[in-house]
Amino acid sequence: SYVLTQPPSVSVAPGQTASITCGGNDIGTRSVHWYQQRPGQAPVLVVYDDTDRPSGIPKRFSGSNSGNTATLTIRRVEAGDEADYFCQVWHSTTAHWVFGGGTMLTVL
Amino acid sequence: EVNLLQSGGGSVNPGGSLRLSCAASGFSFSDDWMNWVRQAPGKGLEWVGRIKSRSEGAAVEYSAPVKGRFIITRHDSEKTLYLQMNGLKTEDTATYYCTTEGCSGGTCYSTDAFDIWGQGALVTVAS
Repeated sequence: SYVLTQPPSVSVAPGQTASITCGGNDIGTRSVHWYQQRPGQAPVLVVYDDTDRPSGIPKRFSGSNSGNTATLTIRRVEAGDEADYFCQVWHSTTAHWVFGGGTMLTVL
Repeated sequence: EVNLLQSGGGSVNPGGSLRLSCAASGFSFSDDWMNWVRQAPGKGLEWVGRIKSRSEGAAVEYSAPVKGRFIITRHDSEKTLYLQMNGLKTEDTATYYCTTEGCSGGTCYSTDAFDIWGQGALVTVAS
């Protein structure tokens, strides 16, 4: 099976930049999607295909993917960005979608 | 407005069955691949399975923990997705989400990102 590894938690002060990583074997060869999930709510797509943003998602959200690590970057972090973030890839060998374990972003 | 409205959650004894429904509105549905994702209390997201569109044979794929017990079907004329859960185990306790695959809502251009999600349905398996 394919495993995606995320740090359990990341903390950042308001106005600073948060970086959330997603590690996986040769993940740079796969397309990575990122989801934000606030408490008690359904997930929301914030970055797709490594670097693109759906309409309505602030430009403060961006993504990158290379080698064995994909990264979600949130610039000028706001209190409203406090949430869990999950990365996702398609594992073609098993024909399964795989999610990372999730990262809780805390805004100090 | 695009929406997925879920129903059918509840409590069930181990070994029992439950069916979840997911009604689509505001987008095609019949051309869309649909997925089920679950989240155990306090845990991360876990993919359950997906069904392709009828034009692709409505082929279904399942994760290992549910294969042989869960069945995903779709009723395109009613724009509804179903998850039939049989032989339920305590470890199946979770909130279950239905979701589209491939930017069905028109807010993105990916061929496979999950852009529309239902509100979730809590399934509790306990004696």
